[in-house]
Amino acid sequence: QKEVEQNSGPLSVPEGAIASLNCTYSDRGSQSFFWYRQYSGKSPELIMFIYSNGDKEDGRFTAQLNKASQYVSLLIRDSQPSDSATYLCAVNSINQAGTALIFGKGTTLSVSS
Amino acid sequence: GAVVSQHPSRVICKSGTSVKIECRSLDFQATTMFWYRQFPKQSLMLMATSNEGSKATYEQGVEKDKFLINHASLTLSTLTVTSAHPEDSSFYICSAPGYVGNTEAFFGQGTRLTVV
Repeated sequence: QKEVEQNSGPLSVPEGAIASLNCTYSDRGSQSFFWYRQYSGKSPELIMFIYSNGDKEDGRFTAQLNKASQYVSLLIRDSQPSDSATYLCAVNSINQAGTALIFGKGTTLSVSS
Repeated sequence: GAVVSQHPSRVICKSGTSVKIECRSLDFQATTMFWYRQFPKQSLMLMATSNEGSKATYEQGVEKDKFLINHASLTLSTLTVTSAHPEDSSFYICSAPGYVGNTEAFFGQGTRLTVV
C-alpha cells in the first residue's frame, strides 16, 4: 500500500513567521512531488512541484526534497492570514492505468494576525 | 492553463437514487481522468482511473457496479453513483493528467454530494 504521511495539525503560526510543513512517502519509485493548497469545500490548487533532490524556491514558498529519506517539505516564509488552509502533499504513483497522484491527509495551517 | 470543468458543484439526492457527475476538459483532450473522493478531514482517495474508449480501472475496495464511470470521448468523463446511500455523501473530484510527464494534475471544481 503506497502511503503519504502528513501531520494533520493544526499548525498555528503568527503572521510573518515561517511555517514548516512536512511529508513522508513510502514508494521509493515516486519521482514527482507536489504541494497543493485546499480551502474548505474547494478543489486543491497547485502550490509547487519538485522532482530533484534539494530546494526549489518560488516566491515565499520553498519545497525541499530528500529522496534518500523519502521526505519532502514546504516552507512558507512571511506567513499571511490568507495562507490559512489545508496543505496536501502528493506524490505520483504509476498504476496499471496511468500515473495518478497519491495524497496525504493534509496539514491544516492557521496563521494568526 | 488547462481547465477541467466539473458539474454539478453541489447535489442533494434521496437515498436509492442515482447521481451523475460530469467532468469536461475544455481546452485539451483528456485521454485519462482520475476520480477521487474526499471525506471530511480526510485525504483525497483515488477511486478509479478512466481511459477514453476502454473500461475504467478501479482501486481496491471501490465497487465498480456502484460507481459507474464512462469516458466515451476525449473531453468528457462521467461518474454515476448508483443507488446512493447516506454513506456515499462526500466530495468527489476529477482530475486530468497534465502535459509534462503525465505528472501534474488539473482538477475539476469538485462535487459535494449529500444523500438524504
